[in-house]
Amino acid sequence: DVKVTQSSRYLVKRTGEKVFLECVQDMDHENMFWYRQDPGLGLRLIYFSYDVKMKEKGDIPEGYSVSREKKERFSLILESASTNQTSMYLCASSFGNKPSYEQYFGPGTRLTVT
Amino acid sequence: QQQVKQSPQSLIVQKGGIPIINCAYENTAFDYFPWYQQFPGKGPALLIAIRPDVSEKKEGRFTISFNKSAKQFSLHIMDSQPGDSATYFCAPQTGGTYKYIFGTGTRLKVLA
Repeated sequence: DVKVTQSSRYLVKRTGEKVFLECVQDMDHENMFWYRQDPGLGLRLIYFSYDVKMKEKGDIPEGYSVSREKKERFSLILESASTNQTSMYLCASSFGNKPSYEQYFGPGTRLTVT
Repeated sequence: QQQVKQSPQSLIVQKGGIPIINCAYENTAFDYFPWYQQFPGKGPALLIAIRPDVSEKKEGRFTISFNKSAKQFSLHIMDSQPGDSATYFCAPQTGGTYKYIFGTGTRLKVLA
């Protein structure tokens, strides 16, 4: 079974703090993704990576950065957390060269910025 | 997000009913049309997917209908059960980009 794990299920941070969200997958997937999920807005792509040290901006990258130093690990960084970044953050991974395109999601991190 | 319109936003059906969730899209380059299911406290998981060379695909009680000319696809849940209560997302994709465009989600509640 593919497993995508996220470092925290719940996180509470203060405005201005630097926040790290970690994601690890165990299926040797090439692609990894970070989404945020908000009611009525669905899932919106923040960043994705198709290889180690490679990254591409998604639809809402402002206020976020990412790091992928190892194939299995993809980190999302909030340089200076703000209240409008309070959300559910979902990590996902997928094979890079198979036709199924299926994405496997972690359980999510609910981040509250106060 | 504007490329994909999912409806309805929420749906309540009786056990045994057939809820239908629709997804309309604009981008004719999409070549993979999945539905994801998300239970509370969990990440989404692939439920069923279709490619544009077929008009219908059935897996158990779940069926996708695909209408290429109308640029829409639908999820039908036959003999719905309370355990099907979840949020459903359409997420069409263009293969070369590995990126999905997720719909806004449909919260389904099946009453016992």
